[in-house]
Amino acid sequence: DADVTQTPRNRITKTGKRIMLECSQTKGHDRMYWYRQDPGLGLRLIYYSFDVKDINKGEISDGYSVSRQAQAKFSLSLESAIPNQTALYFCATSDRTRLRGLFFGSGTQLSVL
Amino acid sequence: DAKTTQPNSMESNEEEPVHLPCNHSTISGTDYIHWYRQLPSQGPEYVIHGLTSNVNNRMASLAIAEDRKSSTLILHRATLRDAAVYYCILRGHRSYRDDKIIFGKGTRLHILP
Repeated sequence: DADVTQTPRNRITKTGKRIMLECSQTKGHDRMYWYRQDPGLGLRLIYYSFDVKDINKGEISDGYSVSRQAQAKFSLSLESAIPNQTALYFCATSDRTRLRGLFFGSGTQLSVL
Repeated sequence: DAKTTQPNSMESNEEEPVHLPCNHSTISGTDYIHWYRQLPSQGPEYVIHGLTSNVNNRMASLAIAEDRKSSTLILHRATLRDAAVYYCILRGHRSYRDDKIIFGKGTRLHILP
């Protein structure tokens, strides 16, 4: 089983719908991150969390919200999806030493029609 | 947030060494330099990191300039499997909360057979 699991792997939704992307990890890491990737734009940070009660905005948080339900789970929500939120979304985790790197999930491809 | 600058793309011949540059002129004394790579259709994976001294591991070597304003990821003998996007990022260690990890667009490395 993967250390960082993202569900679903693919999702197609319509404009205006609420959608949740989920991330769970078995690495026991405190820190979790959500990124989006658009072709040619690299990775952009949406939200990050140091623990269950510590959540921070990233570069592009508008239109998104997150929930850290437990140390192992970090969900990303689009309250009212719009087409320019079509992208590949990655979840990542890290331990608090920050010396072993980030571990990424396999990504969720989201299409908003 | 400290930023990095990388060439958009590079080419190299198979079985030759590859030197991937990164500039980070605004690096602070507590920032670690991390490198990641993203293979096609996969999430990014950690490659190597360093603070001041050059570093080697089984995947690559990291050469850090004496003033720390630039670094170079070295792949000693490129293979076709090394074709990927390589990201250079700075990871802060000034405080517990200094961990807003910003990726840029990276360098797309093409390997010619």
